[in-house]
Amino acid sequence: NAGVTQTPKFRILKIGQSMTLQCTQDMNHNYMYWYRQDPGMGLKLIYYSVGAGITDKGEVPNGYNVSRSTTEDFPLRLELAAPSQTSVYFCASTGRVNYGYTFGSGTRLTVV
Amino acid sequence: DAKTTQPTSMDCAEGRAANLPCNHSTISGNEYVYWYRQIHSQGPQYIIHGLKNNETNEMASLIITEDRKSSTLILPHATLRDTAVYYCIVNHFGNEKLTFGTGTRLTIIP
Repeated sequence: NAGVTQTPKFRILKIGQSMTLQCTQDMNHNYMYWYRQDPGMGLKLIYYSVGAGITDKGEVPNGYNVSRSTTEDFPLRLELAAPSQTSVYFCASTGRVNYGYTFGSGTRLTVV
Repeated sequence: DAKTTQPTSMDCAEGRAANLPCNHSTISGNEYVYWYRQIHSQGPQYIIHGLKNNETNEMASLIITEDRKSSTLILPHATLRDTAVYYCIVNHFGNEKLTFGTGTRLTIIP
């Protein structure tokens, strides 16, 4: 039981490039989330999903896209990377609303 | 969701109980109190949550005041590995999203 797995762990992008951050969970959780965390700050919600085929915006969705074609996977797409997207990205999941979330170990992204 | 207020930082001696306060004076009846912690650079870790009764698990105890306007997370015998940022979050029943603040940076002193 691996929990929530994020890849890659580190990545450097040039301005204008695009990439996909991968997130997969093996707990059969319906709810999945993407957060970003800037240095010294709390986490901000980018997008979330309540089940396969359903996604919704969080606080800071601009510049990102998501899809949820399966229960297990919730990839985050960055189009036209900008320096403001330099951050640590965390994926999380939970089986039921009001239960605790399980977080992945994060992807540290630098845009130069 | 109700806002929370936490001290920016706290110290606690190793082996002592660490008591982390959280104020949520605008909490409503169907809002839960959650605690998470984030050890340096790792993903946040769920600790405990409660509605109005005190709760205890293998990690910590959560004490919620009778008026529910504040709560305290208690780590009974703090170790160096408990050094982390602790987040207190209030979320109403049925809300699929958690909103994180900046938390309390707890440092355990040897």
